[in-house]
Amino acid sequence: GENVEQHPSTLSVQEGDSAVIKCTYSDSASNYFPWYKQELGKGPQLIIDIRSNVGEKKDQRIAVTLNKTAKHFSLHITETQPEDSAVYFCAARRTFGNEKLTFGTGTRLTIIP
Amino acid sequence: NAGVMQNPRHLVRRRGQEARLRCSPMKGHSHVYWYRQLPEEGLKFMVYLQKENIIDESGMPKERFSAEFPKEGPSILRIQQVVRGDSAAYFCASSPPGLAGDSGELFFGEGSRLTVL
Repeated sequence: GENVEQHPSTLSVQEGDSAVIKCTYSDSASNYFPWYKQELGKGPQLIIDIRSNVGEKKDQRIAVTLNKTAKHFSLHITETQPEDSAVYFCAARRTFGNEKLTFGTGTRLTIIP
Repeated sequence: NAGVMQNPRHLVRRRGQEARLRCSPMKGHSHVYWYRQLPEEGLKFMVYLQKENIIDESGMPKERFSAEFPKEGPSILRIQQVVRGDSAAYFCASSPPGLAGDSGELFFGEGSRLTVL
């Protein structure tokens, strides 16, 4: 089955700086890669996703890049703000039917004011 | 359009009791997934169900755990004879029916936090 590894497990950045979280996956058939943000006491919420026919996708301060050859993808947050503090999860899945998402172990991002 | 509804949000059980967690998917969604999250850990897949069918239960412990998604009513995750190690947050997610190649985004509920004394 799919195995997703995520680094780093914790990340502290100064407000206004950029944050980068990296993930690798094992199943070459995976072709959908979402990122979820989980705030304390809440459920995960999708913030951005990318499919394997795209190398990069951007939404305001958030961007995701995908390297299918190397089987890794990254989340980039620019101009970080205090409200970006949360736990971020990457995930991977095949999309032939509604198959399960396999999640990384999470990154606790802290923005230092 | 209400999101994924989970109840109870918090549940306390003593060792040996049963825990029942409920999940109502978003309107129009026919796929339900259950995930478990231990403190300071990631989301571990447990089971994937469609109406009246278990599609993938590869993440479910072999004993004491069961799940159903009946034709009418919410999906239920049932844990019998709970032990302290079952203490965790249990998240339900739903997705709409999808065509091959569709992303099938998962929408998560707020979770049910089980504490076993």
